[in-house]
Amino acid sequence: RKEVEQDPGPFNVPEGATVAFNCTYSNSASQSFFWYRQDCRKEPKLLMSVYSSGNEDGRFTAQLNRASQYISLLIRDSKLSDSATYLCVVNIESNFGNEKLTFGTGTRLTIIP
Amino acid sequence: DAGVIQSPRHEVTEMGQEVTLRCKPISGHNSLFWYRQTMMRGLELLIYFNNNVPIDDSGMPEDRFSAKMPNASFSTLKIQPSEPRDSAVYFCASSFGASGGALIYNEQFFGPGTRLTVL
Repeated sequence: RKEVEQDPGPFNVPEGATVAFNCTYSNSASQSFFWYRQDCRKEPKLLMSVYSSGNEDGRFTAQLNRASQYISLLIRDSKLSDSATYLCVVNIESNFGNEKLTFGTGTRLTIIP
Repeated sequence: DAGVIQSPRHEVTEMGQEVTLRCKPISGHNSLFWYRQTMMRGLELLIYFNNNVPIDDSGMPEDRFSAKMPNASFSTLKIQPSEPRDSAVYFCASSFGASGGALIYNEQFFGPGTRLTVL
């Protein structure tokens, strides 16, 4: 099983719709979770951190379910500018005993006018 | 403010040649990360440094890869000899955080990447 798993998509969604992505992780000891956004041929950028109680930033809502080991990202009232690849990021304990961030392969989202 | 700077932005080389990728982190950041991104494997952490010291190089694919950070403002990733399967986008990222495990919890700022093609 992959350490961080995402549905690669693509998700093609009409403008104004609501879209949700899930991401599952394998290490139950993971403590930190993030969503990064990556535009085509650009570098990843932090979209938001994911907190245990869930958190919201404008049209974006992130939630964590520790029991089922998944995190989710909800985008409401989607805009054309939301078209991008969304990367799920989880901290995983490495073989060296320390921790490192592990990225999912990303979910591609296209907003259709 | 200048973000993370990487050079070159594009590199095309022939199999067997040495390739050196360069990175200048954001001033004041004390952690630096090298990643490789491919369609098949996504974004993979190769190595990271904290206060110029390598902390975890378990992601380095093999001995052909080496990375150095001689000072707080410069790092290199070297591939020697290069192979076609090394073709990928290589990202450098930096962040600021406390030493130890907590350093990975802060936002990482990525450079624009180096697109490497090995023929």
